[in-house]
Amino acid sequence: NAGVTQTPKFQVLKTGQSMTLQCAQDMNHEYMSWYRQDPGMGLRLIHYSVGAGITDQGEVPNGYNVSRSTTEDFPLRLLSAAPSQTSVYFCASSPPGLAHNEQFFGPGTRLTVL
Amino acid sequence: AQSVAQPEDQVNVAEGNPLTVKCTYSVSGNPYLFWYVQYPNRGLQFLLKYITGDNLVKGSYGFEAEFNKSQTSFHLKKPSALVSDSALYFCAVRAPYSGAGSYQLTFGKGTKLSVIP
Repeated sequence: NAGVTQTPKFQVLKTGQSMTLQCAQDMNHEYMSWYRQDPGMGLRLIHYSVGAGITDQGEVPNGYNVSRSTTEDFPLRLLSAAPSQTSVYFCASSPPGLAHNEQFFGPGTRLTVL
Repeated sequence: AQSVAQPEDQVNVAEGNPLTVKCTYSVSGNPYLFWYVQYPNRGLQFLLKYITGDNLVKGSYGFEAEFNKSQTSFHLKKPSALVSDSALYFCAVRAPYSGAGSYQLTFGKGTKLSVIP
């Protein structure tokens, strides 16, 4: 198993540009989520999905869109990048059904918006 | 709303000494509690979790954590620290399942552990 994979590892954008951060998992996990990590703030939930076709907002959803057309993939779209979106982004997934299952994290994407 | 507090931004400990990383939480109902570790430029790795039962939970790499319901705490411990334990540690809480939204995991801000040779 490759686990949770994220691409790209690094990205530099200019203000106003759009892009998609890719996330894929090969563990047949129903639950997937996106977090951003900023110094001194821990991880904050952006969006999450409990299965294909179902998504919902987390703590900091503004400026981001998600979709879940397959179990494996959960892309995060930045519609019009802003410097405040400079951060490290992590995708995570969990086995189905039970809230006490741990999450598996990808290696992260470091995004800089100029 | 659920929340997690990690009161120490940084913990320094000498190699071979016991270590403790503190965590307190707030959640409705019986919590599910987790510890994750993050090494530099890496994603988070699961260490251990408390679901129910024995208050002392054992996890990976010799770590353990003690659940204390009356103090709403879940401190991470290790009897003898290694230099390789130096990393960023996150405590997280999730409420018992009560709908799709309760899958959300809330993280603390993290504690940087430095083990000094």
